[in-house]
Amino acid sequence: RKEVEQDPGPFNVPEGATVAFNCTYSNSASQSFFWYRQDCRKEPKLLMSVYSSGNEDGRFTAQLNRASQYISLLIRDSKLSDSATYLCVVLGAAGNKLTFGGGTRVLVKP
Amino acid sequence: DGGITQSPKYLFRKEGQNVTLSCEQNLNHDAMYWYRQDPGQGLRLIYYSQIVNDFQKGDIAEGYSVSREKKESFPLTVTSAQKNPTAFYLCASSIPGAHSGANVLTFGAGSRLTVL
Repeated sequence: RKEVEQDPGPFNVPEGATVAFNCTYSNSASQSFFWYRQDCRKEPKLLMSVYSSGNEDGRFTAQLNRASQYISLLIRDSKLSDSATYLCVVLGAAGNKLTFGGGTRVLVKP
Repeated sequence: DGGITQSPKYLFRKEGQNVTLSCEQNLNHDAMYWYRQDPGQGLRLIYYSQIVNDFQKGDIAEGYSVSREKKESFPLTVTSAQKNPTAFYLCASSIPGAHSGANVLTFGAGSRLTVL
């Protein structure tokens, strides 16, 4: 089993719709969790950290479910500019290694 | 402005040659990382360094070498022993720790290596 797994997609989303997807992790002692956004042929950039209580940043909501060992990202009112690959990142139990999921590709269409 | 500079942006190499990718940061970050990304795939960790003069192997270290002689610099050498070196290489840095804002990665723009 991979340490961090994501549905590769693509998720084809009509503009204005809501889309949500998950990321599962194998190590229950993992410390911290992040969502990054990567545009085609560019470097990843931090979208948001994921806190235990869940957190929201504008149209984006991140949740952490430690019991089931997954994090989720929800995008409301999707914009064409939200089209990208969303990468899940998990900080290991020792606190010194960040592991990436394979990414979930989202395509927002008019 | 602070950031991470990777060079070269594009590099072509003949089989059997070693190449070194440069990564320099002026963010005063202690931790630095090298990742490899293949088309349509996620990032895989090659090497990472938490402090100067210390580094650890990641998941795919074979055929690569690094050094960390200065806090600002973490060059990666792709040796001829690397069987399939054509890929997009990303350098990143972070502030390690358990406080808010720790472990957030800042990436360089990447180096795209093609072996001919």
